[in-house]
Amino acid sequence: EIVLTQSPGTLSLSPGERATLSCRASQIFSSSYLAWYQQKPGQPPRLLIYGASIRATGIPDRFSGSGSGTDFTLTISRLEPEDFAVYFCQQYDSSLPYTFGQGTKLEIK
Amino acid sequence: QVQLVQSGAELKKPGSSVKVSCKASGGTFTTYTIAWVRQAPGQGLEWMGRIIPIHDITKYAQKFQGRFTITADKSASTAYMELSSLTSEDTAIYFCAREDVMIPIETAAFDSWGQGTMVIVSS
Repeated sequence: EIVLTQSPGTLSLSPGERATLSCRASQIFSSSYLAWYQQKPGQPPRLLIYGASIRATGIPDRFSGSGSGTDFTLTISRLEPEDFAVYFCQQYDSSLPYTFGQGTKLEIK
Repeated sequence: QVQLVQSGAELKKPGSSVKVSCKASGGTFTTYTIAWVRQAPGQGLEWMGRIIPIHDITKYAQKFQGRFTITADKSASTAYMELSSLTSEDTAIYFCAREDVMIPIETAAFDSWGQGTMVIVSS
């Protein structure tokens, strides 16, 4: 099973700043199978990025993903008030099970 | 855009079973896969399993093998998950989600999610 470790656990930033979230895997897998989700309280997760770097439909271009191998990054170029939420990475490699990182909480400083 | 609507909250006794439904609309049910994910209070996300309705092929996380069943009613465009031998550790929100694939070897990110069903296990 691929274990995903996200860092930091909590990130405190102000609107307009740049956010960089990390996701590290316990073993190499194809970047084609790495996704990022945003979750707000009381809501289901929302797909932001799939294939490590492809924005999902309707996702603003201030969200970008990168990485390969075991290290992946989600970057939010300029934080908007609605971006403060919890972010999860997920691997969906064909060698099940799928796994998620434990999440990074992005909070307003 | 596929929409997934889940059944309502459940309160269950330890040792009992729970069955949650996930009704799909806005797409063709037999062209994609439905996954189930749970989230314990204040915790992260945990993948439980998936079903490819057109093939009735299921795959479960080893942790849930033997007490977790996913089924699908193609005529009703509805997937179901049933979890038995419930304990307090099964208290969680259960989500269904769509993977836009229909072949077992293929996988995809979850592009549509149900609203979640809260299951509370308490005596």
